[in-house]
Amino acid sequence: DSGVTQTPKHLITATGQRVTLRCSPRSGDLSVYWYQQSLDQGLQFLIHYYNGEERAKGNILERFSAQQFPDLHSELNLSSLELGDSALYFCASSVSSQRGWQETQYFGPGTRLLVL
Amino acid sequence: AQSVTQLGSHVSVSEGALVLLRCNYSSSVPPYLFWYVQYPNQGLQLLLKYTSAATLVKGINGFEAEFKKSETSFHLTKPSAHMSDAAEYFCAVIRSGAGSYQLTFGKGTKLSVIP
Repeated sequence: DSGVTQTPKHLITATGQRVTLRCSPRSGDLSVYWYQQSLDQGLQFLIHYYNGEERAKGNILERFSAQQFPDLHSELNLSSLELGDSALYFCASSVSSQRGWQETQYFGPGTRLLVL
Repeated sequence: AQSVTQLGSHVSVSEGALVLLRCNYSSSVPPYLFWYVQYPNQGLQLLLKYTSAATLVKGINGFEAEFKKSETSFHLTKPSAHMSDAAEYFCAVIRSGAGSYQLTFGKGTKLSVIP
């Protein structure tokens, strides 16, 4: 158990819908990262938040957005969903940020999204 | 632009044999390189990282990788495979600059260990 929690574990929805994925980092970790893993696209880095501020952005679509709240949990919002958005979405957390990508990241179990 | 190429989407080795997983990168600036492992139905776990210090990097579970700038490679090795090493392995490259960074993963190599 990494200490990172993600809810829900599974999500089934229809095209055109909007969903919110939630991530709670390890106690004391200030950075949260989101990743998407799909058969088509492989593993992709989406976005990194540090203490409420966006730190780095990867291949995140404009239909997707994220935020980190004062209690440090994070939400990934996916809208206008398409079949191709079906994937496993991971979040990870690490202690700080200045070079957060050099730190060990602790991964949650993921949310499996199926868009029908 | 940067990219990562992992040669071989699937590698099989016998238990006790050498493990060699290949990773080549392209980057216009000195990169930072990582290897992650993903066990079935789990998230990623960092195996090791190269951040411009020693070119031979030792990681967890007996794995190591050598950064070779002339070959733009960062291959992962382990002298003797164990059944528990069966997993998928991802190489990743990070380029930092201008207060941010870009992180790119390879497509992954699935390692099977034959008893």
